[in-house]
Amino acid sequence: GDSVTQMEGPVTLSEEAFLTINCTYTATGYPSLFWYVQYPGEGLQLLLKATKADDKGSNKGFEATYRKETTSFHLEKGSVQVSDSAVYFCALSAYQGGSEKLVFGKGTKLTVNP
Amino acid sequence: DVKVTQSSRYLVKRTGEKVFLECVQDMDHENMFWYRQDPGLGLRLIYFSYDVKMKEKGDIPEGYSVSREKKERFSLILESASTNQTSMYLCASSSTGGSRNEQFFGPGTRLTVL
Repeated sequence: GDSVTQMEGPVTLSEEAFLTINCTYTATGYPSLFWYVQYPGEGLQLLLKATKADDKGSNKGFEATYRKETTSFHLEKGSVQVSDSAVYFCALSAYQGGSEKLVFGKGTKLTVNP
Repeated sequence: DVKVTQSSRYLVKRTGEKVFLECVQDMDHENMFWYRQDPGLGLRLIYFSYDVKMKEKGDIPEGYSVSREKKERFSLILESASTNQTSMYLCASSSTGGSRNEQFFGPGTRLTVL
């Protein structure tokens, strides 16, 4: 079935460091791809998305490009801030019995130190 | 702004009790979802609903049931709570049209079963 694999955490960086969180997927067809973020004590919120190959999603300085040839959607940010400390989830859209749902990776916890 | 609310942030129940978790969304979304979130396992889909009185099993439905009598409300029911159901429960909703894949999440209910 469809699945998402993302790099295990936790990841600890200093402020202004470069961030990469790897995400690869297995899917039939051409899913949409997403990054969600969960700040401490909160639910998930959509960070960015891409709906077709070579699309680049971006938001709040984060970027990810839909790479069909490598089945990847890696999250990057050039200069992280303490406020970026959160858990990041990669996800894809998938069909189950004719209905659409999201399949999530296990999450990567990021801590940014001042 | 889309708002998804959950009835409790924290809940403590005893083994064998019947537990109701309530979720309400205010954006007239057709689709609603229940997930549980556990460390190292990410989000796993329990049940979802694409219409009033309609439900579909997710990946881990055993031990749970759901009810959707009104469009804005989706309830998760633990018929006889067990300790292995101690977890964070997240509700989400999404629209069928437009950005149909984007799900909006509530803040979560942390359930402890003693």
